Amino acid sequence: DAGVIQSPRHEVTEMGQEVTLRCKPISGHNSLFWYRQTMMRGLELLIYFNNNVPIDDSGMPEDRFSAKMPNASFSTLKIQPSEPRDSAVYFCASTTLSSNQPQHFGDGTRLSIL
Amino acid sequence: KNEVEQSPQNLTAQEGEFITINCSYSVGISALHWLQQHPGGGIVSLFMLSSGKKKHGRLIATINIQEKHSSLHITASHPRDSAVYICAVRWVSNFGNEKLTFGTGTRLTIIP
Repeated sequence: DAGVIQSPRHEVTEMGQEVTLRCKPISGHNSLFWYRQTMMRGLELLIYFNNNVPIDDSGMPEDRFSAKMPNASFSTLKIQPSEPRDSAVYFCASTTLSSNQPQHFGDGTRLSIL
Repeated sequence: KNEVEQSPQNLTAQEGEFITINCSYSVGISALHWLQQHPGGGIVSLFMLSSGKKKHGRLIATINIQEKHSSLHITASHPRDSAVYICAVRWVSNFGNEKLTFGTGTRLTIIP
């Protein structure tokens, strides 16, 4: 079975550019999570969706960050404009919340903003 | 806010030793996750538990809801167990939203 698929695996771009990270959850999972991991702050939950609806976006750092889930098989996390402090590894995970199953993580996108 | 503390932060042990990693939290939870992150960066969910004990191979996770504490044990440790182990707690905020708060992780190194 395919796991959670994230793209790109690595992204290097210049400050001010728009960055779009993509995630395809495991088929049948109805909840999707976006996380950010940095050395300073560890893992942080940015936003999560249940049945394609954003439930809690209180972890989104500021208005430059936005996330969408247009359908059950695709989500994006967008940063516009990007800043060097956004450099981190961004993980996507999916699960079925009501089933009490663990989350399955993608391999992450390593983002570097120069 | 749920404060999650892990100990120790770093742990180095000889192959074969019994390993214990601890996690404490401050607010009642609905579930607790133990995650493993290897040097390559990938994250794997090891356990999710809300009471009692779970076992998978050489890994055992326990939780004491009253004491707000969980432990992850590794028996007969092996160099391939070297990784960062992260505790995460699932809880409900005052606004009714489900939250996930992570500990800072325990870096485990097993020496052959």
